[in-house]
Amino acid sequence: EPEVTQTPSHQVTQMGQEVILRCVPISNHLYFYWYRQILGQKVEFLVSFYNNEISEKSEIFDDQFSVERPDGSNFTLKIRSTKLEDSAMYFCASRETGTGTYSPLHFGNGTRLTVT
Amino acid sequence: KNEVEQSPQNLTAQEGEFITINCSYSVGISALHWLQQHPGGGIVSLFMLSSGKKKHGRLIATINIQEKHSSLHITASHPRDSAVYICAVDTYSNYQLIWGAGTKLIIKP
Repeated sequence: EPEVTQTPSHQVTQMGQEVILRCVPISNHLYFYWYRQILGQKVEFLVSFYNNEISEKSEIFDDQFSVERPDGSNFTLKIRSTKLEDSAMYFCASRETGTGTYSPLHFGNGTRLTVT
Repeated sequence: KNEVEQSPQNLTAQEGEFITINCSYSVGISALHWLQQHPGGGIVSLFMLSSGKKKHGRLIATINIQEKHSSLHITASHPRDSAVYICAVDTYSNYQLIWGAGTKLIIKP
């Protein structure tokens, strides 16, 4: 069964550094999402992406975050200048349809980001 | 008030027990999802439903649109069912799902 893949599985970075988290969604999926989960807390929505543009973003998704689909397969989340509070598990998800008719979400295994 | 409420927050049961986790929502929805998050962190979609009932193995999900309520049942529970179970809804006005806080389930052998 096709899977959403995320790399790396764990990334350690110093405060102020830029990080790029990578995701390869399932190939025929059109809607892509980034979520984060701070240890012990609820999963939080960051951003959704459709038709090569952001369709919705949360208050968390401020100017230090950006997303890109640089080619036909990858979907990246960039954090420009990491802060200690960015330490979390970041999940990528994709789905075939996301408006009108809906399909299940498929999640990657997550990237654990540790900012020191 | 949260738009998606789950109960209970925590549930501990013995192996073999019948488990029910509840989800109530206050918004109009187009679909409701039940997700499972394992202790290792991965999230898996269990069900997506907009009416009636779905069954997969020992898992059953039901939804009552009029009452804005859904339940997830686990029959013959097993320690490997220990996980956080999350209810989330699609609404017509958002691209993203609205998530419940999750129910942490522990099944003891």
